[in-house]
Amino acid sequence: QKEVEQDPGPLSVPEGAIVSLNCTYSNSAFQYFMWYRQYSRKGPELLMYTYSSGNKEDGRFTAQVDKSSKYISLFIRDSQPSDSATYLCAMSAPSNTGGFKTIFGAGTRLFVKA
Amino acid sequence: DSGVTQTPKHLITATGQRVTLRCSPRSGDLSVYWYQQSLDQGLQFLIQYYNGEERAKGNILERFSAQQFPDLHSELNLSSLELGDSALYFCASSVAGVNPQETQYFGPGTRLLVL
Repeated sequence: QKEVEQDPGPLSVPEGAIVSLNCTYSNSAFQYFMWYRQYSRKGPELLMYTYSSGNKEDGRFTAQVDKSSKYISLFIRDSQPSDSATYLCAMSAPSNTGGFKTIFGAGTRLFVKA
Repeated sequence: DSGVTQTPKHLITATGQRVTLRCSPRSGDLSVYWYQQSLDQGLQFLIQYYNGEERAKGNILERFSAQQFPDLHSELNLSSLELGDSALYFCASSVAGVNPQETQYFGPGTRLLVL
């Protein structure tokens, strides 16, 4: 079983729809939860991060973490064609050498149709 | 443009060979991370360096090694290459690499094809 599970999609929605992207995880040591967006042929870019359970909002994006269920979500409101990309969840746990290791989900490909 | 540069952009080589991938972090960033992205394994963390010292290790094979030099650029060495090593290799950098919530800025990647 992978430490982080994410449905690869693809997910296709009409412009203006609310998009829900999700990940589950198994390692209780994860403390920080991130969402990255990756456009085709580009490196990932950080969208949002959260620490501990709860919600965090940034414009059209809302990240949710439920540590009791080991489940995280990213909601995109009023989706735009420019949101079409692969969205990767990521989780970090401290390493025993002072740094941390980050585990990524497989990424969900999102297509927003105009 | 993230400010992280990686060379070369593309690399084609044969099985059994050795290659070196190079990364220059953003100006002022002390921490460098290496990732491998393949279709079947997704994006996998390989190793992290901070100011020349190894800080964290992920799923890095023994055939792979990395280092960070005094000028903070980093190199990832891949040896005894196998077909399965074909992937996109990303370098990322962050200011200190102590806290996971620090933003990691990813480079454009090096696409490696092993034939």
